Amino acid sequence: NAGVTQTPKFRILKIGQSMTLQCTQDMNHNYMYWYRQDPGMGLKLIYYSVGAGITDKGEVPNGYNVSRSTTEDFPLRLELAAPSQTSVYFCASSSPYEQYFGPGTRLTVT
Amino acid sequence: AQSVTQPDIHITVSEGASLELRCNYSYGATPYLFWYVQSPGQGLQLLLKYFSGDTLVQGIKGFEAEFKRSQSSFNLRKPSVHWSDAAEYFCAVGRVTEYGNKLVFGAGTILRVKS
Repeated sequence: NAGVTQTPKFRILKIGQSMTLQCTQDMNHNYMYWYRQDPGMGLKLIYYSVGAGITDKGEVPNGYNVSRSTTEDFPLRLELAAPSQTSVYFCASSSPYEQYFGPGTRLTVT
Repeated sequence: AQSVTQPDIHITVSEGASLELRCNYSYGATPYLFWYVQSPGQGLQLLLKYFSGDTLVQGIKGFEAEFKRSQSSFNLRKPSVHWSDAAEYFCAVGRVTEYGNKLVFGAGTILRVKS
């Protein structure tokens, strides 16, 4: 039972480069989320989706984009990487009662 | 606006000692409350949740939490800590729908266990 999977696990980007963080869930959940985690700051919601074709901004959406073409996949796009985007990124999906988290992607922008 | 405060950034306890992690929330309606644990290099795992009813809720790994509406608190407790409990703990509050939930997380408390 895979749950929520994320790729890659680690990535180093140069300033101005772009990349897509992949997220897939196999639990048929409607709700999916992208968070970033910075030391001492907890998790901040970047974007979320309540179903295929429906996305909305969270608390810290600037510099990111998302799409949701299928129930299973919810990729996060960074268009012009900046050092402020150095963080650990978590994808999650939820039933009504619990969010299930992926293992995270550690991104460094230099 | 919803918010969650975890006043303690770090806590160190001896193995076998009791533990209480504090959580205070601000929420405009009946809160749904959660505690998650994150081991180093891992994602978050749900420990327990409160939706309604009995204000003392039991979770996995021997943890429990008590909801106190008058104090806007949802503190996490464990009577005897094990070395494997060393991790970061997050309190969260939010709303729940029939399709999913949307949560606001606290900044976390790092638990260190000394032998």
